[in-house]
Amino acid sequence: QVQLVESGGGVVQPGRSLRLSCVASGFTFRSFGMHWVRQAPGKGLEWVAVISYDGSHEIYAESVKGRITVSRDNSKNTLYVQMNRLRPEDTAVYYCARDNAEYGSGPYGMDVWGQGTTVIVSS
Amino acid sequence: DIQMTQSPSSVSASVGDRVTITCRASQGISSWLTWYQQKPGKAPKLLIYAASNLQNGVPSRFSGSGSGTEFTLTISSLQPEDFATYYCQQADTFPFTFGPGTKVDI
Repeated sequence: QVQLVESGGGVVQPGRSLRLSCVASGFTFRSFGMHWVRQAPGKGLEWVAVISYDGSHEIYAESVKGRITVSRDNSKNTLYVQMNRLRPEDTAVYYCARDNAEYGSGPYGMDVWGQGTTVIVSS
Repeated sequence: DIQMTQSPSSVSASVGDRVTITCRASQGISSWLTWYQQKPGKAPKLLIYAASNLQNGVPSRFSGSGSGTEFTLTISSLQPEDFATYYCQQADTFPFTFGPGTKVDI
């Protein structure tokens, strides 16, 4: 079935780095743009970044711009986010999510979500 | 960035009730508005995209309307499994932004 599985979360000290992964299965990964969305404990959803289906374009939220990099390996059906200079306010559950339209053909939201991976930034 | 607001922030309702949630954008976003449902400890679920299009598999008691800056999500007859938090999200302009959520509880 169509599935996204995140991994790589954990406890990390402020200022350190972490890389999260999201493995896709059950669909043609290379045909879809992919997003990262996060949710701080007890808070709402915050869109973080998007990468185009072919990896040629990325867009970031201001809150993370310059500190995170999204990438993908379509040969491995895997999405990544490299997070550097982590701050306590980056503590959240991080979800990867699939664009609800192949090849970015429409702004139709995000239709497939992973279960999330938890990042805790604390000394 | 486009700011999204939702009202009410929470609503208490009973099974069978009609529930309406309003979402407003700080500037016009045409019909590029998405609604999600989230239950505690779970990932969000896409309900409606492009303001009024029901995602495959979503029950027809959910409906969406609106354009420009004001949008509504309506649950025509609340079911036990609908108690959750609902978020709107604008998909018109990057960065995408979510509303603060509306919690529907008993």
